[in-house]
Amino acid sequence: KQEVTQIPAALSVPEGENLVLNCSFTDSAIYNLQWFRQDPGKGLTSLLLIQSSQREQTSGRLNASLDKSSGRSTLYIAASQPGDSATYLCAARTSGTYKYIFGTGTRLKVLA
Amino acid sequence: GAGVSQTPSNKVTEKGKYVELRCDPISGHTALYWYRQSLGQGPEFLIYFQGTGAADDSGLPNDRFFAVRPEGSVSTLKIQRTERGDSAVYLCASSLNPTNEQFFGPGTRLTVL
Repeated sequence: KQEVTQIPAALSVPEGENLVLNCSFTDSAIYNLQWFRQDPGKGLTSLLLIQSSQREQTSGRLNASLDKSSGRSTLYIAASQPGDSATYLCAARTSGTYKYIFGTGTRLKVLA
Repeated sequence: GAGVSQTPSNKVTEKGKYVELRCDPISGHTALYWYRQSLGQGPEFLIYFQGTGAADDSGLPNDRFFAVRPEGSVSTLKIQRTERGDSAVYLCASSLNPTNEQFFGPGTRLTVL
């Protein structure tokens, strides 16, 4: 059974810092992994999707990596801004299924 | 273009009542998903539709929960005899096909008093 864990649960950093959010999963037979952002009281905004055959994906200041053998994905945010403050969720889809298993998220606060 | 929309945005009901939550996916998306999110938790999968059929309903917690997608577009999640524990945000997502990224709607916040 796939389980997804995100560490840390909360993170507070000064503006301009580069930071890394961690996501680990127990079943390495994943089809893909998707990172989302969720603002308070809002739905999820898709950030990056990594297929199982890929090692990383980049979009602007965001870079997500995937290491299936170690059961880990990281989301790297460069030059953080106060507008990056939100909860970041990772979700893994196991091969042979169509549903995402989500972590509980990392609540990020970027201080101006 | 228009994203996934969900109505109502908020629903307050009394214990024991019946509720319907609606999801309008992105036009042309064949796959539709329902998730439920409790406070401080990540979304939990409920059901997945491919076209009109429920391809995976393993996440529905019990037989009080039912969902339909009769024409392969709009979907309705139906909850009978609501309980206080059903209170949560119900999220809908769609994707072009099951292998593509999922796009989420804003959710319906259900409160059962």
